[in-house]
Parts: sequence; structure tokens; C-alpha cells
Amino acid sequence: KAGVTQTPRYLIKTRGQQVTLSCSPISGHRSVSWYQQTPGQGLQFLFEYFSETQRNKGNFPGRFSGRQFSNSRSEMNVSTLELGDSALYLCASSLVPRESTDTQYFGPGTRLTVL
Amino acid sequence: EDKVVQSPLSLVVHEGDTVTLNCSYEVTNFRSLLWYKQEKKAPTFLFMLTSSGIEKKSGRLSSILDKKELFSILNITATQTGDSAVYLCGGGSNYKLTFGKGTLLTVNP
Repeated sequence: KAGVTQTPRYLIKTRGQQVTLSCSPISGHRSVSWYQQTPGQGLQFLFEYFSETQRNKGNFPGRFSGRQFSNSRSEMNVSTLELGDSALYLCASSLVPRESTDTQYFGPGTRLTVL
Repeated sequence: EDKVVQSPLSLVVHEGDTVTLNCSYEVTNFRSLLWYKQEKKAPTFLFMLTSSGIEKKSGRLSSILDKKELFSILNITATQTGDSAVYLCGGGSNYKLTFGKGTLLTVNP
């Protein structure tokens, strides 16, 4: 079974631009979560989606948004990019939607660099 | 605000040593504690713990959860250079994981 896939793998943008990252979960998984990983802050939760609904959101500004499609694929968008948004963005999917938490399987990440 | 603290932040050992990594948590509506190993790529799943006092094992790795004292440990016996990685623990609740900063383990030959 294919794992979680994320595109693109690497991205370079300049301040003020916006970016859209894509995540395809493991087949059959319906929950998708997004995380930002930086050397200083570690791995931080952005948001989680199930059945096209956001069920939880982390402490990030409104410039960070996401959505999920009916096929469970998810996108996240960052508008008005800042230098501090440079990070590895990880997507994770999980199988059991009813549980409050379930094992999450991570994709390879998108490395975003903001110049 | 949910918080997960891992210790030590880094550790250097020799092959064959046994190591214990610590994870304490303060997570509202706690449901599970997960351990991941991260090399130069995405975190890979190791264990999920939901019940106190039940040890989970996989080869040389084992982990246990203490829900009364709000901590978990990850043990690695007979370490190998391939165990060198960042080990992350995350506390699960309300459809999210709150992660600690990780423990960087370096195993020297």
C-alpha cells in the first residue's frame, strides 16, 4: 500500500507570496493532519481534517489555512509568506476517524524556504 | 495549553549500550502517547500507548506509559549505529498530537 505522499517536496518562495501544499493520505485513511517542523519549535500541530471538516486547529495565524476534498486529499495554504514560515511541513494520515487519536503516519514533507 | 517535555535533549552512547528516553506530558483529554523515530526524513511510527503499565515491545525497543505520573519511557537495548536519530513523543487528544522537542540519540561505533 502506498504511503502518504506530499507535493511538492521542495519549494522556494519570497516574502509576501502565497503557497499551496498538497497531501494524499494512505488509501482508506480519512483523517489528515498537518504539522510544521522547525529547529527551534519542533513539530507543531497546524490542523486536522476529516470528511472535509476541520476538527481541530493549532495556534497559528489565519494566514495558515487548509481544506480537505471528498477523496480525503488535503491542501494547506499559507498566504503573505514571512521568513519565519520557512520550515518542513508534514502531513500525516490516520485510519480510524471515530477515535480521538489514532496512529498517524507521516508523509515525506514539503521543505519550504522563504527568501 | 498542552505540553510535552522530552529528556534528555541529546544523548551520545556507544554501540551496545542501553538507553532510556523520557517523555512527560500535560495534555487535556489525553487519549494516547505515541513514539516516533525521525532520521533525515519523515517520522516513522514506533509505538502507541493507551493503557498504563502495559509494556509494548518491538525487537530491542520497548516502551511503557504511566498515566498516573503522566510520563512514558522508551528503552533501547544493545544500541546500534542505525538507532541514531531523533526520537519524538507525542501526546494525543482531540484529534491532534502535541509533540516534545525530541531526543537526539547518537550511537557511536
